[in-house]
Amino acid sequence: TQLLEQSPQFLSIQEGENLTVYCNSSSVFSSLQWYRQEPGEGPVLLVTVVTGGEVKKLKRLTFQFGDARKDSSLHITAAQPGDTGLYLCAGAADSGTYKYIFGTGTRLKVLA
Amino acid sequence: NAGVTQTPKFRILKIGQSMTLQCTQDMNHNYMYWYRQDPGMGLKLIYYSVGAGITDKGEVPNGYNVSRSTTEDFPLRLELAAPSQTSVYFCASSGQEVEPLHFGNGTRLTVT
Repeated sequence: TQLLEQSPQFLSIQEGENLTVYCNSSSVFSSLQWYRQEPGEGPVLLVTVVTGGEVKKLKRLTFQFGDARKDSSLHITAAQPGDTGLYLCAGAADSGTYKYIFGTGTRLKVLA
Repeated sequence: NAGVTQTPKFRILKIGQSMTLQCTQDMNHNYMYWYRQDPGMGLKLIYYSVGAGITDKGEVPNGYNVSRSTTEDFPLRLELAAPSQTSVYFCASSGQEVEPLHFGNGTRLTVT
């Protein structure tokens, strides 16, 4: 059974601070996606990483896929209150089953 | 485009009742998914489908059934509702592997 563990589970920080969220697994994933979810809505895609070692930047957000394609991280620089939400990683199994498994989630609150 | 549409938005069931959660998408996507999300947690995959007539179990399929008679529709059936099925249910679709999952707005189900 594949499992994606995220850490930390909860994070409350002041505006302007930096933070990193981790997504780890013992399984290899063919690709990994990061989503953000607002209350009462479905998750919305932030980024997809496909290649081991890949780094993608989206404004103040930096995403990295581990060399072995078993882990990923999301780094936010100078967090803002608008970054508040539930951050979810999701991995597609390496076997090509198109079966997307989600991580346990990291709830971020950025205080003004 | 409407995207992914889920109905109903809310439902309260008594233990032992049955119901069908409806999901339809107008993007001609092959891949469709059902997830459940318990409060403050990540999403758990219930069932998924890679095309009309093809369905497969996810992480937590017990107590649920699905069918995929058309590309557009992917209903989720609860036969004997139990309190453990109280959750928010999300339907999602995707056009290809590594493309983003497009989510509906969810169905909030309470079983009492």
